[in-house]
Amino acid sequence: GDSVTQMEGPVTLSEEAFLTINCTYTATGYPSLFWYVQYPGEGLQLLLKATKADDKGSNKGFEATYRKETTSFHLEKGSVQVSDSAVYFCALLRSGNTGKLIFGQGTTLQVKP
Amino acid sequence: ETGVTQTPRHLVMGMTNKKSLKCEQHLGHNAMYWYKQSAKKPLELMFVYNFKEQTENNSVPSRFSPECPNSSHLFLHLHTLQPEDSALYLCASSLGTDKGNTIYFGEGSWLTVV
Repeated sequence: GDSVTQMEGPVTLSEEAFLTINCTYTATGYPSLFWYVQYPGEGLQLLLKATKADDKGSNKGFEATYRKETTSFHLEKGSVQVSDSAVYFCALLRSGNTGKLIFGQGTTLQVKP
Repeated sequence: ETGVTQTPRHLVMGMTNKKSLKCEQHLGHNAMYWYKQSAKKPLELMFVYNFKEQTENNSVPSRFSPECPNSSHLFLHLHTLQPEDSALYLCASSLGTDKGNTIYFGEGSWLTVV
């Protein structure tokens, strides 16, 4: 079945460091891909999305490119801040009309001053 | 403010109690969802409703009973729960259920079963 795999956390970085969180997926058809972020004690917020191959999603300095050839959607940010500390979830929305969002296990990011 | 409001934010209930979680969306969406987030498992879909009709039940035990009276409101009725049902329950909504849609989440309801 369809699945999403994220790199194990926690990821600990110093402020202004470069961030990459790896995400790969397995899916039949052509899913849409998402990154959601969860701050402590809160629900999920959409960070960015891409709906087809080679699309780049971007928001708040974060970027991810839909790579069909490597089935990947890695999240990057050039310079992280302490306020970026959160759990990041990669997810796919399957082709077809199911509305079924499939999540990776989440990656915790800690940014230290 | 995401446009999806969940109440209560925190709930503690005994195993013999009956309680309900409520979700309301102000986005004009047609599809609504319940997800469960527990400490040891990835986020998992429980139910999908599209235009008030249930279109997905992800093998959820019958002690969880959803209700969708209209496209703006979704309930999760809880009865005779187990301690392992303690989790964050997230409601979400989207305009439709095809892959071009974006799913927006509420803040969640933290449930503790004692």
